[in-house]
Amino acid sequence: DQQVKQNSPSLSVQEGRISILNCDYTNSMFDYFLWYKKYPAEGPTFLISISSIKDKNEDGRFTVFLNKSAKHLSLHIVPSQPGDSAVYFCAASASNAGNMLTFGGGTRLMVKP
Amino acid sequence: EAGVAQSPRYKIIEKRQSVAFWCNPISGHATLYWYQQILGQGPKLLIQFQNNGVVDDSQLPKDRFSAERLKGVDSTLKIQPAKLEDSAVYLCASSLGRGYNEKLFFGSGTQLSVL
Repeated sequence: DQQVKQNSPSLSVQEGRISILNCDYTNSMFDYFLWYKKYPAEGPTFLISISSIKDKNEDGRFTVFLNKSAKHLSLHIVPSQPGDSAVYFCAASASNAGNMLTFGGGTRLMVKP
Repeated sequence: EAGVAQSPRYKIIEKRQSVAFWCNPISGHATLYWYQQILGQGPKLLIQFQNNGVVDDSQLPKDRFSAERLKGVDSTLKIQPAKLEDSAVYLCASSLGRGYNEKLFFGSGTQLSVL
């Protein structure tokens, strides 16, 4: 039972263009969402988060959009840089369940110079 | 600030053998997590500690996996006996507290291969 799904296992974009990574969830109790980035041989690192009371959160080149009715969120990276090449994980938690994150399967982003 | 430390970095064992992983969280972090990441999948929570008490271990295969957090700081995760399907990266993470919006900091993981 995958409560958080990332349906695109990989994505390739050209440097300078926009990268859009998508994530869907099924558990309506989730009200906090995060994106983590993972380089090879390293642990995931926190990138950006959004609470369900918002529909957008921006941090520099990274913006996360949340569509609660569709149970969908997306991460936009503009402009994409070769150093952004990594695996991106979407994660979700419920505020009444403490800090127990449910992760999606990840999307490998490749940014070509 | 030192990050989450894990050892060993790699481990290769044969099935039915036992193995142990060690984690030292960021200083002052009360909450510690062990995640299992199978190749091609996202991390899956195995166990969560708050200080030295277990908060959640509902996804820990207790017939073969065990974990403890000594004095509320370091933690060890043990598998005995190992199965082929235990091949994965075992990630340790820590956070200041258990709040739902607390940021998790991950170690680099231990890559386990069971032959």
